[in-house]
Amino acid sequence: ETGVTQTPRHLVMGMTNKKSLKCEQHLGHNAMYWYKQSAKKPLELMFVYNFKEQTENNSVPSRFSPECPNSSHLFLHLHTLQPEDSALYLCASSQPQWGGATDTQYFGPGTRLTVL
Amino acid sequence: KQEVTQIPAALSVPEGENLVLNCSFTDSAIYNLQWFRQDPGKGLTSLLLIQSSQREQTSGRLNASLDKSSGRSTLYIAASQPGDSATYLCAVGQGAQKLVFGQGTRLTINP
Repeated sequence: ETGVTQTPRHLVMGMTNKKSLKCEQHLGHNAMYWYKQSAKKPLELMFVYNFKEQTENNSVPSRFSPECPNSSHLFLHLHTLQPEDSALYLCASSQPQWGGATDTQYFGPGTRLTVL
Repeated sequence: KQEVTQIPAALSVPEGENLVLNCSFTDSAIYNLQWFRQDPGKGLTSLLLIQSSQREQTSGRLNASLDKSSGRSTLYIAASQPGDSATYLCAVGQGAQKLVFGQGTRLTINP
């Protein structure tokens, strides 16, 4: 496997279910991200992790719970979701830069989530 | 709050034409601006990155310009091909790791 992989690629769940999305990066990076892409809305940053520590939470509801056990893996645990949470969830990784330079983010293919 | 707008939302042109995609942003205090391509089922691929101090970047048939003072960027695609069909996303860098995206332009190149 190369790059950034995400599983599952498609997920259908009821509002009372608990499920998890998985992301794995094979690029040796130390930063990982979750984004949400809803229909007719721009891609939105949800969470950022640097060296396994959460450094950004973009006011995401608590029914989304991220976990980063190591620099290569990132999970998004889902619980009691709403139909409006249906979206494409994208994972990305990057190597943190120093001195004000911008990280180049590499994206996975996404998980298409449908909440019934 | 930074807002990024892309016009048009969709564009369909015959193969071989040159075309321009537009991106505008409300806050000129940016680190950089990136153009991405999104193909169904394949995530995002970075095409060009323009630093805030630069005016343009070129890669093959693609040329991106940046006018920070007016809050605008354009992506120029020369001699379009059917393989260029995809959604093109503009993203403004607000920090080392924070990107603010536009909604994208869905481009279709007809053979």
